[in-house]
Amino acid sequence: EVQLVESGGALVQPGGSLRLSCAASGFSFDTYWMSWVRQAPGKGLEWVANINLDGSEKRYVDSVKGRFTISRDNAKKSLYMQMNSLRAEDTAVYYCARMDLWLSPFDYWGQGTLVTVSS
Amino acid sequence: DIVMTQSPDSLAVSLGERATINCKSSQSVLYTPNNKNYLAWYQQKPGQPPKLLIYWASTRESGVPDRFSGSGSGTDFTLTISSLQAEDVAVYYCQQYWGTYTFGPGTKLEIK
Repeated sequence: EVQLVESGGALVQPGGSLRLSCAASGFSFDTYWMSWVRQAPGKGLEWVANINLDGSEKRYVDSVKGRFTISRDNAKKSLYMQMNSLRAEDTAVYYCARMDLWLSPFDYWGQGTLVTVSS
Repeated sequence: DIVMTQSPDSLAVSLGERATINCKSSQSVLYTPNNKNYLAWYQQKPGQPPKLLIYWASTRESGVPDRFSGSGSGTDFTLTISSLQAEDVAVYYCQQYWGTYTFGPGTKLEIK
């Protein structure tokens, strides 16, 4: 069974940093692209970043470029998101999601982890 | 970036009746060399992550009931639930995955 389990969400002050993790199981992690997608409270879905099979290609939504860094460790079957210079508008549930290829839908999602940026 | 819009914002349908949700993209998501529309539909129930229902505009994901169907091409797409069941109450999102990934604002489906 495919499982994606996020962790690392917390309450953090504006300007602070946080590292999210996503532990994958039930599939060959190193054969799938992975993404982070976020959802602000009561709002819609926003793709944040994705990463290719070996971590050599990374793409970001404009609003997080230069502040967030996506990475993966295939040996540990884990996906990460380092989030720096956090802003109030980054407050959201962050989901990790699996993708077959670069241009493909998100076929499995984790349950999400809540990041709250507030003083 | 491609902007996705959906209509209506919310919809109330009687059990057993048809529900139709529309999605429009600001530019075509049809890639003519392979004749594929890079368009997906997701269902999100309260407190749960989104679930993939339809991809390539009309291909049902494994395990999705056949009362769910997708249609359309280019810039205009439709998700149809042929006979609404109580468990279909959710917010439905369309998403384009041509280039980057953008979602529609969602349509909230309720029972009338």
